[in-house]
This record gives sequence, structure tokens and C-alpha cells, in this order.
Amino acid sequence: SQTIHQWPATLVQPVGSPLSLECTVEGTSNPNLYWYRQAAGRGLQLLFYSVGIGQISSEVPQNLSASRPQDRQFILSSKKLLLSDSGFYLCAWNVGGLYNEQFFGPGTRLTVL
Amino acid sequence: TQLLEQSPQFLSIQEGENLTVYCNSSSVFSSLQWYRQEPGEGPVLLVTVVTGGEVKKLKRLTFQFGDARKDSSLHITAAQPGDTGLYLCAGDSGNTGKLIFGQGTTLQVKP
Repeated sequence: SQTIHQWPATLVQPVGSPLSLECTVEGTSNPNLYWYRQAAGRGLQLLFYSVGIGQISSEVPQNLSASRPQDRQFILSSKKLLLSDSGFYLCAWNVGGLYNEQFFGPGTRLTVL
Repeated sequence: TQLLEQSPQFLSIQEGENLTVYCNSSSVFSSLQWYRQEPGEGPVLLVTVVTGGEVKKLKRLTFQFGDARKDSSLHITAAQPGDTGLYLCAGDSGNTGKLIFGQGTTLQVKP
């Protein structure tokens, strides 16, 4: 069966520090991978998605970047964090298919102070 | 820009009551999904509806897709405290590989 992991689970970082969040998927090959950000109790904002190694599409211009160095690994990064980068970051995967159903990781709670 | 409007945003009810959550758009979707999310966790897929007018049931939850495939509803019968959580609808336009999410409905069921 497929599983998705995210780490760290929680992170507190000062403004201006770098960021690296990691997402890995097990049990599937060539998945589509997604990074979302969620404000408290609200919907999901798509940040990046990737259909393959080295292929990244950015949805919202911002202080973040994403990379996919391996088939089942997706990394979210920043060189200098802003206060507005605080939030709940979710990674998701699917293998395309007819209905584009997505499966989410447990999330990373990021607080920028 | 495609948008999905969910209503209500917040709902606090007593155990045993019924409720309906709505998800509306001016855009047509090839399918629509409903997710449930508990605090501090990722959303979990509940159901996908794909045909206009389709009705799907999952125990006490009934999901309906509008005839024009622009809207959907989630009805919960005899709500229980375990139903508490954030309910999200998400639409797939069918050709972008991306989902459009509604803003969510926070449901609290009091014992």
C-alpha cells in the first residue's frame, strides 16, 4: 500500500532563516506531487505541483521554491522566511487517473517568529 | 478563475441533529471530491462524485452532485461528535491535473 511522509511535523523558525520541508511517497512510481498551504480552519492553496523529476510548476509567486530530486521526493524550500510564511503545509500525491483524487500527508506546522 | 464557495463556514450543532453543507461554483467540474480533516492532520478523501445528479451514500453521509455539475452538497443525518472536523470540497476541471478547493466548513457536534 502507498504511504506519504512529511517532516518535520512542527517547526519554529526566525524571520530570515532558511527552510526545507521534505515529503516522500512509498509504494508507487512516478506520482504527481503537490505542495499546499493552509491557513487555520480554511481551504488549501496550491503552491507547487510536479509531474516528474525536475518538473515543477509554480502556482503562486512567493518566497518559496520547490524541487523534486527523486521520483518520490518533493522538497519545499525558502532562502529567507517571512512572517507570512507561517501556516500548515501539506504534501499530496496521486497517479493522475480519471478523477484526480489526491492523498495527503500528515502536514508540517510552520511558525515563523 | 474557478472558485468553489462553501457554506456555511462554521456550524455548531447538538448530537442527533441533521445538517447540510453546500459547495457552489459558476464553473463546471468533471468531478467533485469531499474531504474531511481533523486538527493537525491531512485531509482524508470521503467520496468522489462524477455524474450530474449523482447521489452517493456513506453510512450517515449523503453526497449529491448538481445536475449541471457546478455544485454539490453533503448531508449528515443524526450527527455524532465523531463527525466533528473541517469538511472540504474540491473540484477537478478535468484537464489541468489540479484541484480547486473550497474554503471549508468547520463542523462541531456537541454531545
